[in-house]
Amino acid sequence: DVKVTQSSRYLVKRTGEKVFLECVQDMDHENMFWYRQDPGLGLRLIYFSYDVKMKEKGDIPEGYSVSREKKERFSLILESASTNQTSMYLCASSSRQSRGKPQHFGDGTRLSIL
Amino acid sequence: DAKTTQPTSMDCAEGRAANLPCNHSTISGNEYVYWYRQIHSQGPQYIIHGLKNNETNEMASLIITEDRKSSTLILPHATLRDTAVYYCIVSVNTNAGKSTFGDGTTLTVKP
Repeated sequence: DVKVTQSSRYLVKRTGEKVFLECVQDMDHENMFWYRQDPGLGLRLIYFSYDVKMKEKGDIPEGYSVSREKKERFSLILESASTNQTSMYLCASSSRQSRGKPQHFGDGTRLSIL
Repeated sequence: DAKTTQPTSMDCAEGRAANLPCNHSTISGNEYVYWYRQIHSQGPQYIIHGLKNNETNEMASLIITEDRKSSTLILPHATLRDTAVYYCIVSVNTNAGKSTFGDGTTLTVKP
């Protein structure tokens, strides 16, 4: 089974801090994604990556950056955390090879910015 | 990506089949239909996907109408653990699996 692991289930940080969320997948997938999920707004795509060192902006990239130095790891960075970034963050990966390329998700990180 | 329409909520009796509908009338020829579910406090879980033909796996069956404008996810024998939000998504194969998740259907399986 595909395993997507997010480093923390719950995280509390302060306004202005630089926050790192880590995601690792063990299936050699080329594609990786970061979403945030908020009540009433569904899942919204922040950034995605097709390959190592490649990144593409999603629908809501403002205030975030990403890093993909190794194929299995995709990091989301909040440069200067703000209270409106309190949310559930979900990482996903998918294979470029498999038909239809379904995404496989981690269990999420619930981030609170105080 | 085509937009999908799903009922907000549905109930199902434990042990009975759960049939979850999805309308995607603007689907284009190269778009797949995907189903995911999200159990409270967990990440979305991939269930099944298809292009034109009906599909079945160990979790569910996917029935796609001939004109591809709607589909139904079938959980053949629903259990309490199937209570979750179910998302129907249509997406082009070539966009690296980037998907737009809407509000989904909240399925409640009752004893």
